[in-house]
Amino acid sequence: SQKIEQNSEALNIQEGKTATLTCNYTNYSPAYLQWYRQDPGRGPVFLLLIRENEKEKRKERLKVTFDTTLKQSLFHITASQPADSATYLCALDITNTGNQFYFGTGTSLTVIP
Amino acid sequence: DAGVTQSPTHLIKTRGQHVTLRCSPISGHKSVSWYQQVLGQGPQFIFQYYEKEERGRGNFPDRFSARQFPNYSSELNVNALLLGDSALYLCASSLSPDRQGVLGYTFGSGTRLTVV
Repeated sequence: SQKIEQNSEALNIQEGKTATLTCNYTNYSPAYLQWYRQDPGRGPVFLLLIRENEKEKRKERLKVTFDTTLKQSLFHITASQPADSATYLCALDITNTGNQFYFGTGTSLTVIP
Repeated sequence: DAGVTQSPTHLIKTRGQHVTLRCSPISGHKSVSWYQQVLGQGPQFIFQYYEKEERGRGNFPDRFSARQFPNYSSELNVNALLLGDSALYLCASSLSPDRQGVLGYTFGSGTRLTVV
């Protein structure tokens, strides 16, 4: 069956450290992968997109890598802050048409002051 | 400029009842997608509409239906509600399906549906 898996355990890190979140997928060949942030009781907020021909993408303190051979994306937050505490979701378009995006289960990140 | 607007914000229904959820996309966005998010899980794709036509459908029963109006707003209808339909229902808009891939979705804050 088709799956998108993220770190099942919540991630707790000390302020200032780098948080690394994992997104693994099977049975897809996505043209791109997206990362979202979700705060409790709110809808997800789009953060970054990385295409299959891009190995790495950066935006301020965020960095995303995409390994289509391993079928894995890594999401890094450097110099983490308590305000980064949230659930982070990865999403794939399984049809590569923009019509059907599937989300992972999300990873809860807590940054401890 | 207003974001994606969903109504109502909270709703309590009884098993077997019908519910209609509403979504107004960002001005200029012509594509609307609906997602169901059960507590502790990621959003699950239900439908996508673009220019009033269904462009994608997830693995949900026929009790779930949707439509998009000429002003690009959308309704999600769920018939014969089950306890398992209790969830946060999210609406997401984008300029178009192909632009979604570049710019991502803009989500509303959702409708919290509780079925008792």
